[in-house]
Amino acid sequence: AQRVTQPEKLLSVFKGAPVELKCNYSYSGSPELFWYVQYSRQRLQLLLRHISRESIKGFTADLNKGETSFHLKKPFAQEEDSAMYYCALISGNTGKLIFGQGTTLQVKP
Amino acid sequence: ETGVTQTPRHLVMGMTNKKSLKCEQHLGHNAMYWYKQSAKKPLELMFVYSLEERVENNSVPSRFSPECPNSSHLFLHLHTLQPEDSALYLCASSDRANTGELFFGEGSRLTVL
Repeated sequence: AQRVTQPEKLLSVFKGAPVELKCNYSYSGSPELFWYVQYSRQRLQLLLRHISRESIKGFTADLNKGETSFHLKKPFAQEEDSAMYYCALISGNTGKLIFGQGTTLQVKP
Repeated sequence: ETGVTQTPRHLVMGMTNKKSLKCEQHLGHNAMYWYKQSAKKPLELMFVYSLEERVENNSVPSRFSPECPNSSHLFLHLHTLQPEDSALYLCASSDRANTGELFFGEGSRLTVL
């Protein structure tokens, strides 16, 4: 079954510390993976997609097919990074976007 | 208005009521979606419309009835809901179906008494 797992419900770090939000997936084909973010009182929005290989707001994510992971990383967290982060996978068979349960990132001053 | 707009933002209804959620997108997209976001659960896809045709019905109970009169508007008609249907209902759109790049509305918070 296709599944996205975010093992941490809450990740709390201090400003300036490195951040890694974990995402593991279960998918038999070649996955297409995404990170979405929801800041307080804002709508859910796309942060980045793995095929773009881009860095957005200092965040990067590398697809590791061996470990079936797509962890989101940032070397130095900022307070404005505090938000809910969702990892998502699109199923090539159905075209459905499947979300993980989300991780709340709390960056303390 | 730009982006994806949902109304109402909050709705309280009894189990015997009939109500509707409305979604409008101003992005020129061809696909629209309804997602359900419950506490402690991942976002659940409910329905997908592509070019006004329903292409996905993700085993949703018939008490939820979607309608897509044109590519800019999407409705979710609600009838005889249960308290466990209380959730945040999110509408999204994309330029085409089967893409992971969705644009979301702010959601309609539904409470069923």
